Amino acid sequence: SQTIHQWPATLVQPVGSPLSLECTVEGTSNPNLYWYRQAAGRGLQLLFYSVGIGQISSEVPQNLSASRPQDRQFILSSKKLLLSDSGFYLCAWSGPRAGTYEQYFGPGTRLTVT
Amino acid sequence: GDSVTQMEGPVTLSEEAFLTINCTYTATGYPSLFWYVQYPGEGLQLLLKATKADDKGSNKGFEATYRKETTSFHLEKGSVQVSDSAVYFCALSENRGSTLGRLYFGRGTQLTVWP
Repeated sequence: SQTIHQWPATLVQPVGSPLSLECTVEGTSNPNLYWYRQAAGRGLQLLFYSVGIGQISSEVPQNLSASRPQDRQFILSSKKLLLSDSGFYLCAWSGPRAGTYEQYFGPGTRLTVT
Repeated sequence: GDSVTQMEGPVTLSEEAFLTINCTYTATGYPSLFWYVQYPGEGLQLLLKATKADDKGSNKGFEATYRKETTSFHLEKGSVQVSDSAVYFCALSENRGSTLGRLYFGRGTQLTVWP
């Protein structure tokens, strides 16, 4: 069966510090990968998605970047955090076959920028 | 473009009450429809799905029917429990033959069930 991991689970960082959040998927090959942010109030904002190694698409231009160095690894980064980067970050994967579009989410990382 | 509108919460019910959370969608093609649930402090879990018109998705006592004529996918449960307290998200995916299925989410509906 497939599993998705995220770490760290929680993070408190000062403004201006760098960020690296990691997501890994087990039990599947060539997944589509996604980063979402959920700010206070519950709504989900798609930040980045990837259909393969080194292939990153950005949905919202902002202070963040993403990378996919390996097939089942997806990293979210920032060089300098802003207060507005606080939120709950969710990684998700979906199958590579056309027609299987449901996404499966990781447990999330709670980021607080102080 | 594709979008999902779901009823605003919060919804507060007593245990064993009937639940309906409304969801309507706008799509240019024939989307797949989903309900996700998020418990406090956790990620989203897929609750149920339907991939074509008149399909009924069901899981854990929850049901939703894909109604193309009303572009709706309302979530229902006949008797809620305290453990159903969570945020519920309706979502659709654009099925355009590609390998990437982008999901469009509603804003979520907070459900609180009291004993």
